[in-house]
Amino acid sequence: EVQLVESGGGLVQPGGSLRLSCAASGFTVSSNYMSWVRQAPGKGLEWVSVIHSGGSTYYADSVKGRFTISRDNSKNTLYLQVNSLRTEDTGVYYCARDLGSAWSGYFDYWGQGTLVSVSS
Amino acid sequence: SSELTQDPAVSVALGQTVRITCQGDSLRSYYASWYQQKPGQAPVLVVYGKNDRPSGIPDRFSGSSSRNTASLTINGAQAEDEADYYCNSRDSSGNHLLFGGGTKLTVL
Repeated sequence: EVQLVESGGGLVQPGGSLRLSCAASGFTVSSNYMSWVRQAPGKGLEWVSVIHSGGSTYYADSVKGRFTISRDNSKNTLYLQVNSLRTEDTGVYYCARDLGSAWSGYFDYWGQGTLVSVSS
Repeated sequence: SSELTQDPAVSVALGQTVRITCQGDSLRSYYASWYQQKPGQAPVLVVYGKNDRPSGIPDRFSGSSSRNTASLTINGAQAEDEADYYCNSRDSSGNHLLFGGGTKLTVL
């Protein structure tokens, strides 16, 4: 059974950092395209970043230079290092698996999300 | 344009058909996917590609596309279909992903 379990969220001051984790089971993270998607309170979904199976990474303009996506193949885990946090980064962060063997943006599995709150 | 536009809210009578649309230039190059999200839950993929459904999604959900518009149709809407619906697609560069602003569906 495919499962994605996020962790690492919390309350942090503006300018602070967190490392979000997404532990996967039932499939191999490194063989898939994996993304982070976030949702501000009461707002819509926003794509944040993707790591391709080949290792290429891409970021939304709103987070480029501040966030870093990575994976640990030995732990079958996806990460998102979030630095220089701003109040507008507050929200639930989901990891999601792309269903295709190529980058499609069709997410067939999502985690339950981890909440990041940025406030002084 | 690097945006996907959805109507904020749509309503449908129980058992009737409803269409939710998504407009954007990227849809001329890429098919959309559609997600259902209920309060406090993660999104669920309901339709993707030309018109495919993941296993377990009822066949009353279908998708279509024409020029710069993608549509999600629910034939015979049920009370449990009341939710927020989001479209997405790759952007024109192919390397980024766009989400629509979401449509709140009310089943009357």
